[in-house]
Amino acid sequence: KAGVTQTPRYLIKTRGQQVTLSCSPISGHRSVSWYQQTPGQGLQFLFEYFSETQRNKGNFPGRFSGRQFSNSRSEMNVSTLELGDSALYLCASSFGIGVHTEAFFGQGTRLTVV
Amino acid sequence: TQLLEQSPQFLSIQEGENLTVYCNSSSVFSSLQWYRQEPGEGPVLLVTVVTGGEVKKLKRLTFQFGDARKDSSLHITAAQPGDTGLYLCAGVGGGSNYKLTFGKGTLLTVNP
Repeated sequence: KAGVTQTPRYLIKTRGQQVTLSCSPISGHRSVSWYQQTPGQGLQFLFEYFSETQRNKGNFPGRFSGRQFSNSRSEMNVSTLELGDSALYLCASSFGIGVHTEAFFGQGTRLTVV
Repeated sequence: TQLLEQSPQFLSIQEGENLTVYCNSSSVFSSLQWYRQEPGEGPVLLVTVVTGGEVKKLKRLTFQFGDARKDSSLHITAAQPGDTGLYLCAGVGGGSNYKLTFGKGTLLTVNP
C-alpha cells in the first residue's frame, strides 16, 4: 500500500511569506503528526491530529498552525516566515493512538527561507 | 518537559566492530521507540519496547529498556556499512498523552 506522501518535497520561500505543506497519510490511518527537524534541535513535535481534532500541540509560536480534513489528509501552515523556520518538516501517520502505535513517516518537505 | 539525551552524537567505526548507543531521560515513558533515518528519507521504526527491563533482538541489533523506563540502549554487533544512518530514540508519554519526544540522534557511519 502507498506510504505517507508529503508535498512539495522542496520549497524555497522569502522571509515574511507564508507556506502550506501537505500530508496524505496511509489509507486507513486517522492520526497525523507533524515534526520539525533541524541539525541543532533534532526532531521537534509540532502538533498531532486525530479524526480532524488537534490532540496535542508542541511549543511552537502561533505562526505554526495545522488542520486535518475528513479524509485524514493534513496541512500545516507557517505564516510570516523567518530564517529560523528553514528545516525538514516531517509528517507521520498512524492507525490509532497508544503506547504501541507505530508511526510511519513521509520523506519530508525541505523548506528553505531566504 | 520530557527530554531525551542520546550519546554519542557521532560515531564512526569500521565494518565488523560492535557499538552501543544510549538514550537517557529523567522522565518515565510509557514506551520507547528506536528509529533509523537515512539521508533524504523520513525515520523508519525499528522497535518499540514497553516493559521495564525488556530486551528485544532484531538480527544484529539488541534493544534494552531500563528497569525504571527512563533509559534505553541499542547495541549493534558486527556493524555493516548498511547500518549507516541516523539512529533516533523516541519516548511515548504517559496517561492519554501519546506524543513522541525524540532525542537528537546518533549519526553512525560504518566504514568498509
